[in-house]
Formats: sequence, structure tokens, C-alpha cells
Amino acid sequence: GENVEQHPSTLSVQEGDSAVIKCTYSDSASNYFPWYKQELGKGPQLIIDIRSNVGEKKDQRIAVTLNKTAKHFSLHITETQPEDSAVYFCAARAPSGYSTLTFGKGTMLLVSP
Amino acid sequence: DTAVSQTPKYLVTQMGNDKSIKCEQNLGHDTMYWYKQDSKKFLKIMFSYNNKELIINETVPNRFSPKSPDKAHLNLHINSLELGDSAVYFCASSQGGQAFFGQGTRLTVV
Repeated sequence: GENVEQHPSTLSVQEGDSAVIKCTYSDSASNYFPWYKQELGKGPQLIIDIRSNVGEKKDQRIAVTLNKTAKHFSLHITETQPEDSAVYFCAARAPSGYSTLTFGKGTMLLVSP
Repeated sequence: DTAVSQTPKYLVTQMGNDKSIKCEQNLGHDTMYWYKQDSKKFLKIMFSYNNKELIINETVPNRFSPKSPDKAHLNLHINSLELGDSAVYFCASSQGGQAFFGQGTRLTVV
């Protein structure tokens, strides 16, 4: 089955800096890669996703890049703000049948004012 | 309007008890899930239902029994609760790949 590795497990940055979180996946058939933000006491919230026919996608301060050959994808947050502090999860899903999302182990991002 | 809602938000119970968690989605999605998040924040799929039919059961003890009365609801019943069942349980629904999560139920078994 699919295996998703996520790094780093914790990331501390100063407000205004950029943050990058990286994930690798094992199943070359995977074609959908979402990123979730989980704030304390809440459920994971989808913030951006990318499909395998696209190399990069941006939404304001966040962007995701995908390298299918290397089987890795990254989340980039620019001009970080304290409210970006949360746990971020990457995930991957293969197209076959009713496959489910396989999640990375999460990255705790702390943005200091 | 909450898209995926689950109740209760907190559940504290003694070992050996039986408890249920309810989930409802108003997104019109065909697929619903239960995930377990352990103390290290790892999210692991437990069950997947598509149009009320069980699709995936990820080696979960048979003390856990999901039930889907219709495609908008997926409940989770847990028998004979054990200390190791303490975790946050998330319901989710999806259509076309994008999955949306409920706010979670924090289960504490004492």
C-alpha cells in the first residue's frame, strides 16, 4: 500500500519568514495530493490540493509543488503569520477503486511574532 | 451550516462500557470514513463506506462496528471499551477526491 513520509516533524519560524514542508510517497499510481491544516481541538481542514497532471498550484500565500518523477511534493507558506501555527498534514491517494487518503505523520508549525 | 458534524465532541467512559459516536454530512457526498488520531497525531483510516456499503475495514478490532443508515450518516459503535481506545475519532466525507472532516470526538477511557 501507499506510504507517505513527511518532514520535518516540527518547524519553528519567525513571523514573515517562509516555511516549507516536504513529503514523499511510495505508490507511483497516486494522483491526488491534498494538504490539511489542523488547529488545536479542531478537525483537519483542507487548505490546498494538487493532482498529478499539474506541477504547481498557488493560493495566496500558500503553494504546493509536485515532482512525479521523484515522488515528492511540498507545501510552501510565504509571509507566515502567527495564525498559521498549526499541525499540517500531507496525504496521497491512488485512483484505483475506493482508495483512501494515506496521511503523513504531520508537521507542527510554530510561527513566533 | 456545518458540513460534517459529529457528536459528542467529548466522551469520557469506563473500561468495559459500550459507546457510540454519530456523524452526519450535508454535502451530498457518497463516501464517508472514520479515522483514528492517536496521541502522536497520526491519522489512520478505520473504515470507509460508499453509499451505505462498507468498502474498507482496516484491521480494526471487531469491537468497533460502523453503521450507515443512509448515505448522509455514518455512526461508530464501540463495545467493551479498552484503555487503548482512547484517541480522537474523526468522521469525514468525500466526493471526487476532496475529503472534509468533522471536528472530532475525543474519547477517553478510564
